[in-house]
Amino acid sequence: EAEVAQSPRYKITEKSQAVAFWCDPISGHATLYWYRQILGQGPELLVQFQDESVVDDSQLPKDRFSAERLKGVDSTLKIQPAELGDSAMYLCASSSGQPSGYTQYFGPGTRLTVL
Amino acid sequence: AQSVTQLGSHVSVSEGALVLLRCNYSSSVPPYLFWYVQYPNQGLQLLLKYTSAATLVKGINGFEAEFKKSETSFHLTKPSAHMSDAAEYFCAVTPWGGADGLTFGKGTHLIIQP
Repeated sequence: EAEVAQSPRYKITEKSQAVAFWCDPISGHATLYWYRQILGQGPELLVQFQDESVVDDSQLPKDRFSAERLKGVDSTLKIQPAELGDSAMYLCASSSGQPSGYTQYFGPGTRLTVL
Repeated sequence: AQSVTQLGSHVSVSEGALVLLRCNYSSSVPPYLFWYVQYPNQGLQLLLKYTSAATLVKGINGFEAEFKKSETSFHLTKPSAHMSDAAEYFCAVTPWGGADGLTFGKGTHLIIQP
């Protein structure tokens, strides 16, 4: 069964450093989402891509966060500089976008710890 | 605007007992509704979804949920709890059509007592 791949699974960094997370969606899925999940809470949408275009980045802290999906396939989420409050699980999800296929499938996540 | 409220951050049931996890939503347009399960340090796995077809939705692992528009609810149930059901459960909503990002509740931690 196809899965969403994410790497790394765990990342520890010091504040003010740059970090990057990678996501490879299920093959053929045009829509890709990045969510942030703070410990003890539900995920919150950061950014949504349709192919290579950003559809919604209203909740992305653009002063320090950036996201790209250059060829409309895999995606990278970057934080620079990292702050203590960025410690969280970063989840990537994808969906096919077909009328019967808007279900979002999630990857295993990247757990970020900022020291 | 839309939101999800999950009543009870922790629910404890005995093995073999009925599981009931509550979810109420607020949406200005007809919603799609989802239940996801999350095991420690893992991503989210879809249990079931409501997309305006049948109001009683059956999912994986014996779970089901009923969409009640009049009550704006989408409660998750399972007739008989198993130890392996212990996990975090999230209810989520997105506007009809399903193309937008999901808005999640805060989650309910299900504890199964032996």
